[in-house]
Amino acid sequence: ELKVEQNPLFLSMQEGKNYTIYCNYSTTSDRLYWYRQDPGKSLESLFVLLSNGAVKQEGRLMASLDTKARLSTLHITAAVHDLSATYFCAVNFDSNYQLIWGAGTKLIIKP
Amino acid sequence: DTAVSQTPKYLVTQMGNDKSIKCEQNLGHDTMYWYKQDSKKFLKIMFSYNNKELIINETVPNRFSPKSPDKAHLNLHINSLELGDSAVYFCASSSSPGLARDEQFFGPGTRLTVL
Repeated sequence: ELKVEQNPLFLSMQEGKNYTIYCNYSTTSDRLYWYRQDPGKSLESLFVLLSNGAVKQEGRLMASLDTKARLSTLHITAAVHDLSATYFCAVNFDSNYQLIWGAGTKLIIKP
Repeated sequence: DTAVSQTPKYLVTQMGNDKSIKCEQNLGHDTMYWYKQDSKKFLKIMFSYNNKELIINETVPNRFSPKSPDKAHLNLHINSLELGDSAVYFCASSSSPGLARDEQFFGPGTRLTVL
């Protein structure tokens, strides 16, 4: 069964702290996507990770992909309140049209 | 210059009614999708079309019927609406999978409330 699991599902943290969201998936893939969703808004593409060892960074967010471990991480450095959102990872298995989505991680950053 | 647009943004209707949601993309993509997002934020793929051909047809009630008049448009028609249909429906589009930039771009969503 194709599965994508995120943890934690909920994270409350203080501004200035670092933290990591994990995305595990069940079988081989080399295409993984991270999205952000603000409350009441649409989903916005953050990162596209296409190969083992891929690392992408945008501001305080950094995403990486380890295809051997079937694991992607989204690392938040020195969190600020504006990063509060729900973060989703999604995996494309076998270059299929269908993405398998994680359940999302709701991140709350307190000033 | 909106990339993926949906109408309406909000839809409030009575049980048993029939309604449609329209989606258009101007990104030149050849694949479009409909998703349902429930109150717990879980995203469920419903349908996907590639160049007007249905390629994903997940297990959804047959009261839901997609229609793609051309590759830039994908509409969703829902018959005999039920309370459980209340959700946010997102349209998305992408280029063909396997290309370097094949991520899905999402529309603003349609919040459907069935009373």
